[in-house]
Amino acid sequence: EDQVTQSPEALRLQEGESSSLNCSYTVSGLRGLFWYRQDPGKGPEFLFTLYSAGEEKEKERLKATLTKKESFLHITAPKPEDSATYLCAVQTRDGRGGSEKLVFGKGTKLTVNP
Amino acid sequence: KAGVTQTPRYLIKTRGQQVTLSCSPISGHRSVSWYQQTPGQGLQFLFEYFSETQRNKGNFPGRFSGRQFSNSRSEMNVSTLELGDSALYLCASSLQGQGETQYFGPGTRLLVL
Repeated sequence: EDQVTQSPEALRLQEGESSSLNCSYTVSGLRGLFWYRQDPGKGPEFLFTLYSAGEEKEKERLKATLTKKESFLHITAPKPEDSATYLCAVQTRDGRGGSEKLVFGKGTKLTVNP
Repeated sequence: KAGVTQTPRYLIKTRGQQVTLSCSPISGHRSVSWYQQTPGQGLQFLFEYFSETQRNKGNFPGRFSGRQFSNSRSEMNVSTLELGDSALYLCASSLQGQGETQYFGPGTRLLVL
């Protein structure tokens, strides 16, 4: 069964204190990995898509990397406005019917204190 | 470009009732996916519609159903509501399907009493 596990479940940082969030996966056929940010009471907001091991994407203080088994979301010098839940999702293909689906992790709740 | 819209934003129902939620995708997007989000289970895939056809389905009981109209707008229906159906229901749209970046709406918060 396809599984996506995110760690830690929650993370508290001081403003400026860099850290990383982890997303590990076991899927039958990885076709892409997505990172989303979700603020309370809102829908997830797209951040990055990664397709192959070794790929990296950056946006402001965020950098996403991908290996064959996991992805990291690195947050450099975070600010309070980076506080949110970060979701990882893996795109897989159903071998039987050939349809694609997204499997989400449960997210990491990040709090950045001023 | 207008984003994904969902109506209503909040709903309170009682057990046994049924509910219909609506989703309008981004203009030009033909794929609409529905998800249920709860604190314990996270985001779980319900189903995907493309060109008025259900293309993919998650592991939810038959009480959960949906449809898509010719203008790509989609509705999902939950019949015989149970307390455990209380959740945030999210709709996401993309041009062609789940193989692409999906853009989420704000969700409908359903509370079943």
